[in-house]
Amino acid sequence: DGGITQSPKYLFRKEGQNVTLSCEQNLNHDAMYWYRQDPGQGLRLIYYSQIVNDFQKGDIAEGYSVSREKKESFPLTVTSAQKNPTAFYLCASSMRQGSGYTFGSGTRLTVV
Amino acid sequence: GNSVTQMEGPVTLSEEAFLTINCTYTATGYPSLFWYVQYPGEGLQLLLKATKADDKGSNKGFEATYRKETTSFHLEKGSVQVSDSAVYFCALSDADTNAGKSTFGDGTTLTVKP
Repeated sequence: DGGITQSPKYLFRKEGQNVTLSCEQNLNHDAMYWYRQDPGQGLRLIYYSQIVNDFQKGDIAEGYSVSREKKESFPLTVTSAQKNPTAFYLCASSMRQGSGYTFGSGTRLTVV
Repeated sequence: GNSVTQMEGPVTLSEEAFLTINCTYTATGYPSLFWYVQYPGEGLQLLLKATKADDKGSNKGFEATYRKETTSFHLEKGSVQVSDSAVYFCALSDADTNAGKSTFGDGTTLTVKP
């Protein structure tokens, strides 16, 4: 079945470390997105990509980086510059503008 | 810019009660409108959508009608079940002015008690 796979489901990071969250889709979607969700809050856009080898900053890009070398993959790196990285991270993709998103099951990142 | 305002929660209902979660939007173009549902510890799932004025989206007993005159897309269900307990997000996607990115409301938590 087609879908989006995020891994790992849970991730623990020591302060000062960079970590990379994986997002892979086999839906042949052009656009991919990363969102951050804090407890009891809505979704905030970190980065998005509408085509391979191109991506744009969202509303809270500081302290994060992405790459889009393949259509299927859109990894997110949480760098040591991100001051408060503990959150639930959601990856999504869409086939075309206005078609709605397909979401992954999320990665919960905790800084220890 | 675009924005989505949802009814504040949490909402608590008894099983078989009628559900309405209000959603209004502001958009400069002609957006598509969506409702998503999120169960605890999971990602969001697309529940229903409508792409033009007066369209009605429906799925699993939930319905919402795209009302351009009132810029609203309220979610309704005639008889809720305990399994409907989740967080519901209203969203819009405006292809003309926002590169197809979606704007989400803050979410409304629904708890259904037996």
